[in-house]
Amino acid sequence: DVKVTQSSRYLVKRTGEKVFLECVQDMDHENMFWYRQDPGLGLRLIYFSYDVKMKEKGDIPEGYSVSREKKERFSLILESASTNQTSMYLCASSRVLQPQHFGDGTRLSIL
Amino acid sequence: QKEVEQNSGPLSVPEGAIASLNCTYSDRVSQSFFWYRQYSGKSPELIMSIYSNGDKEDGRFTAQLNKASQYVSLLIRDSQPSDSATYLCAARDQGAQKLVFGQGTRLTINP
Repeated sequence: DVKVTQSSRYLVKRTGEKVFLECVQDMDHENMFWYRQDPGLGLRLIYFSYDVKMKEKGDIPEGYSVSREKKERFSLILESASTNQTSMYLCASSRVLQPQHFGDGTRLSIL
Repeated sequence: QKEVEQNSGPLSVPEGAIASLNCTYSDRVSQSFFWYRQYSGKSPELIMSIYSNGDKEDGRFTAQLNKASQYVSLLIRDSQPSDSATYLCAARDQGAQKLVFGQGTRLTINP
């Protein structure tokens, strides 16, 4: 069974802080993705990666960066957190041309 | 036209009836489609994939793909209250590893 693990289920941070969200998958998947989900706006892709050290911008990359130093780990970084980044963050992984499997999500609140 | 469109609902169906969820897509996505179920406060869970024209059945779920009319459907037979969730339709982006998601349809099964 595919396992995608996000480091925190709930996280509270302050504006201006640098925030790290971690995601680990145990199925040797090539592709990894970061989304945010907000009511009425659906799932929006922030960044994705199709290989170690490779990254591609998604639909809403502004204010975020990512890191993929190892195949199993994909980190999302909020460089200077702002209140409009309060959201549910979802990590997903997949093999090439296969469907994505999601982690449990991190509900992030920026105060 | 959006790449993947769904009626956001809510869709209300009596227990035991057939729930029918629909999704239309544009030429900007490829011919691989996925249905995800998302319970409130949880992450999306893959329930069906369909790649060929026609029907694909898995237990109480049937996915239908009609390429000529550019729509994909999910039928849930013998609906149960536990089927109450938001259903997300997704298609693979042309030439890319990422998915394009619809807004989701909220389904409620009434006992």
